[in-house]
Amino acid sequence: GAVVSQHPSWVICKSGTSVKIECRSLDFQATTMFWYRQFPKQSLMLMATSNEGSKATYEQGVEKDKFLINHASLTLSTLTVTSAHPEDSSFYICSAREDRRHYGYTFGSGTRLTVV
Amino acid sequence: DAKTTQPPSMDCAEGRAANLPCNHSTISGNEYVYWYRQIHSQGPQYIIHGLKNNETNEMASLIITEDRKSSTLILPHATLRDTAVYYCIVSFSGSARQLTFGSGTQLTVLP
Repeated sequence: GAVVSQHPSWVICKSGTSVKIECRSLDFQATTMFWYRQFPKQSLMLMATSNEGSKATYEQGVEKDKFLINHASLTLSTLTVTSAHPEDSSFYICSAREDRRHYGYTFGSGTRLTVV
Repeated sequence: DAKTTQPPSMDCAEGRAANLPCNHSTISGNEYVYWYRQIHSQGPQYIIHGLKNNETNEMASLIITEDRKSSTLILPHATLRDTAVYYCIVSFSGSARQLTFGSGTQLTVLP
């Protein structure tokens, strides 16, 4: 079945630094990928929709200059958390669906970001 | 997308069937019912989906009422590894549609 690979699985960074998270669709193409954030004991909240070859669409309240998204190919989307602060500490998850299918989104394993 | 309502938590004995309900009274005719689950600190996993008819796969069965206002996910023989948060999501199909997650049901399978 379709697999989405997300790296790193966890990262610790200092306040003020930037962190890049990669999301790759293995053996399938995904024109659209989604980035979610999940705080402890809460549900997944959509942050942005990543579109190959065009600008990402951000949900209300998500700072596009802080969470940079690049979807340069049909198999790779990256999320860069710039100038990270402790309140950015969270579980970040990406999702993609094979373009030829109409159901069954596949999720990455998630990235646990801790900003100290 | 239509909103869903699920009980916050449920327990089930190992080996027994787990029946997880979901209400989606505002579902429209073209919206699908999707079920995902999330085991602690992992990404969500697709379980099953349906439009009108009942569906079954190797993981579970999905029963959708005739008026489509509610559905039930059935795990026929729950194991300890089925302990997870289960999300019922209603959405149109289409590659550009995101999934909107509610609060889900924490299923705990007891030994």
